[in-house]
Amino acid sequence: QLQLQESGPGLVKPSETLSLTCTVSGDSIRSNSHYWGWIRQPPGKGLEWIGSIHYSGSTYDNPSLKSRVTISVDTSKNQFSLKLNSVTAADTAVYYCARRSPQGEAFDYWGQGTLVTVSS
Amino acid sequence: DIQMTQSPSSLSASVGDRVTITCRASQTISSYLNWYQQKAGKAPKLLIYTTSSLQSGVPSRFSGSGSGTDFTLTIGSLQPEDFATYYCQQSFNIPWTFGQGTKVEIK
Repeated sequence: QLQLQESGPGLVKPSETLSLTCTVSGDSIRSNSHYWGWIRQPPGKGLEWIGSIHYSGSTYDNPSLKSRVTISVDTSKNQFSLKLNSVTAADTAVYYCARRSPQGEAFDYWGQGTLVTVSS
Repeated sequence: DIQMTQSPSSLSASVGDRVTITCRASQTISSYLNWYQQKAGKAPKLLIYTTSSLQSGVPSRFSGSGSGTDFTLTIGSLQPEDFATYYCQQSFNIPWTFGQGTKVEIK
């Protein structure tokens, strides 16, 4: 059974960089068919797609985040990571990692999510 | 960006009721519309992809329909475990975008 698990600091200071890692277990991240992505949800609000990556390193992200996003993959560890720089309180959210299926390009497996709070 | 608008934002229903949630896209998205269920404190769960295909393991009381800009999620007979928030998501154009959610509450 495929499982995804987010990890990283739960508290980040304003203007600093948020860094999270998603560890994939139960299957290889080296799938030609799948992309791996990050989605976030501010407390009490809706979902926002941040960006996605293929194991080959091909990435695309949400232009609304104004190039603050870097997504990378480490196939040797079966992990992919998110860096979001110059964070503000508006970046406080639960961050989810997820797998994007080729069927409808829907997110079919999700991690449990991790709350990241931006505060001094 | 493609804006996704769900209606209603919330609804109250009883066990056994038939429930319909609507999602409208700001431009045509063909059939690239997915539905998710999210329970409090949990990650979203994929219910339906490409408008009407049921994800493996999802009960058949869930169904989806539509095309172009207008889509619906129907729960045929609401069960206690279906009380949750439902989100639509378009996968036609980057950035992928979600509706604001519809909260289904117990009447």
